[in-house]
Amino acid sequence: AQTVTQSQPEMSVQEAETVTLSCTYDTSESDYYLFWYKQPPSRQMILVIRQEAYKQQNATENRFSVNFQKAAKSFSLKISDSQLGDAAMYFCAYRNQENTGNQFYFGTGTSLTVIP
Amino acid sequence: GAVVSQHPSRVICKSGTSVKIECRSLDFQATTMFWYRQFPKQSLMLMATSNEGSKATYEQGVEKDKFLINHASLTLSTLTVTSAHPEDSSFYICSAVHYNEQFFGPGTRLTVL
Repeated sequence: AQTVTQSQPEMSVQEAETVTLSCTYDTSESDYYLFWYKQPPSRQMILVIRQEAYKQQNATENRFSVNFQKAAKSFSLKISDSQLGDAAMYFCAYRNQENTGNQFYFGTGTSLTVIP
Repeated sequence: GAVVSQHPSRVICKSGTSVKIECRSLDFQATTMFWYRQFPKQSLMLMATSNEGSKATYEQGVEKDKFLINHASLTLSTLTVTSAHPEDSSFYICSAVHYNEQFFGPGTRLTVL
């Protein structure tokens, strides 16, 4: 079974600084999807960024970018110019290709604190 | 964008009663929806996969007779917690897959007295 590991239960960053959240995963598949979700205090899960494994280029969404290292099975999230609204739980998630099932596998989460 | 709603957002019930939670995809059709349970400061635990028109697939350790799932249409899945007990108190989240992305409902906080 696929597993997703987030080794940082908690992280903190100064406002306007940059922080990187780590995620590793284990799979025998060659094609899959990776995601970062944000869960603020409201507990609404929000998609931050996604990456298709067949794409070598790292995904970027405004201040959020990933460092996808397929061989190392690593998928870290970099948040630049951190803002107070970035404070939340962040979950890394993995999903197989569509034709092999829709199930997502989540990491245990990283709680991010943004210090004013 | 794809929106998923859940109702109710909060429910308090007495031990022994049943509670139904609805999950709706508002602007897309979803053949597959997921039901998760989340304890405080923990990750999402997948309970079951809800498939439109067929029986739900339950994860190991989840009692199918206790957590009844019905996915009667392409936009609605329901989770019924039967004979609820205090240990069933938790945050329940549904999601629906749309174009390889998973969109989440806002969650339902269940408190069983």
